[in-house]
Amino acid sequence: ILNVEQSPQSLHVQEGDSTNFTCSFPSSNFYALHWYRWETAKSPEALFVMTLNGDEKKKGRISATLNTKEGYSYLYIKGSQPEDSATYLCALKAAGNKLTFGGGTRVLVKP
Amino acid sequence: EPEVTQTPSHQVTQMGQEVILRCVPISNHLYFYWYRQILGQKVEFLVSFYNNEISEKSEIFDDQFSVERPDGSNFTLKIRSTKLEDSAMYFCASSDRASGVGEQYFGPGTRLTVT
Repeated sequence: ILNVEQSPQSLHVQEGDSTNFTCSFPSSNFYALHWYRWETAKSPEALFVMTLNGDEKKKGRISATLNTKEGYSYLYIKGSQPEDSATYLCALKAAGNKLTFGGGTRVLVKP
Repeated sequence: EPEVTQTPSHQVTQMGQEVILRCVPISNHLYFYWYRQILGQKVEFLVSFYNNEISEKSEIFDDQFSVERPDGSNFTLKIRSTKLEDSAMYFCASSDRASGVGEQYFGPGTRLTVT
């Protein structure tokens, strides 16, 4: 059974501050890591699909890095805005097509 | 922008009843999935479907569950005899290629409450 963990479970950020949080996963059988942004009552929105060790991807003020050798990925939010408030999910693809999800990091940006 | 849709958004049913959750995947996608999230737990994989057959399923997906693509646009999840522990948010997803490189696009979910 694959175990994907995210930390912290939740965090409060002051508007304008930058923040980051972690997804850790078993490095064996790695194929890809997906990041999603999920607001309540909406569809989880795909942010990144990362496959190569050392990958860095960016979408606006959000970026992510990947270390497959040690089994972790960081998601960064630069200059947090209230609209960044959401739960951020990472999901590992190992064998097969299924995604194995972490528990999510709930981010609340305070004005 | 194309999106995955799911109906209903919320379903309440009594224990032992059958429910059918409906999804309309993105039209040119070939791979379809169901996931669920029990309150307070992680999102967990149920089943994947490709070329009109199940390609992978989890241990959760027992004989009480079935999936179907009845008409080339809808993708359904049926639970034959619901249990209290089936209460969860059920997500449908689709992708245009095998996941890994391809993103899985998720619907907004159906919240199933079994009483």
